[in-house]
Amino acid sequence: RKEVEQDPGPFNVPEGATVAFNCTYSNSASQSFFWYRQDCRKEPKLLMSVYSSGNEDGRFTAQLNRASQYISLLIRDSKLSDSATYLCAVVPFGNEKLTFGTGTRLTIIP
Amino acid sequence: ETGVTQTPRHLVMGMTNKKSLKCEQHLGHNAMYWYKQSAKKPLELMFVYNFKEQTENNSVPSRFSPECPNSSHLFLHLHTLQPEDSALYLCASSQDREESLFFGPGTRLTVL
Repeated sequence: RKEVEQDPGPFNVPEGATVAFNCTYSNSASQSFFWYRQDCRKEPKLLMSVYSSGNEDGRFTAQLNRASQYISLLIRDSKLSDSATYLCAVVPFGNEKLTFGTGTRLTIIP
Repeated sequence: ETGVTQTPRHLVMGMTNKKSLKCEQHLGHNAMYWYKQSAKKPLELMFVYNFKEQTENNSVPSRFSPECPNSSHLFLHLHTLQPEDSALYLCASSQDREESLFFGPGTRLTVL
């Protein structure tokens, strides 16, 4: 099983809709979790950290489900500018290396 | 300049060439990283430097040679690369090892 797994998509979603995708991790003692956004031909940029209590930033909500070992990202009222690849990243316990998923590609359709 | 900068942004080289990638961070961070990003693969960590000391070499072939002269600069020296080494090479920095990363714009490398 891969350390971090994401559905590669693509997710094609109409503008204004709500979209959610998950990222599963294999190490149950993983400690830190992040969502990054990567636009086409650009570098990844930190979108938000994921805390045990969840994290909300405007239209974006991130949740952590330790029992099922996944993190989620919810985007409400999606905008065309939300089109990007969303990478999840996890720091497994005992290994300080930030491990990335392959990313989920999201396209918002007008 | 702010953030993390990388030069060159694009590089085409033959298998017998020697070239170097440069990274500079203006964030006062202690750790710097080289990552490789290939199509349909997750970001692959190559090297980590913490306070100028290399703390990780992730089984990277010796044709890639990193150098970190100070906590703000990081180089990746390339020689006798293979076509499969063509990828986007990203430099990143962070305050501490487990803190979130700030990436540079990357160098898109093509090996002919």
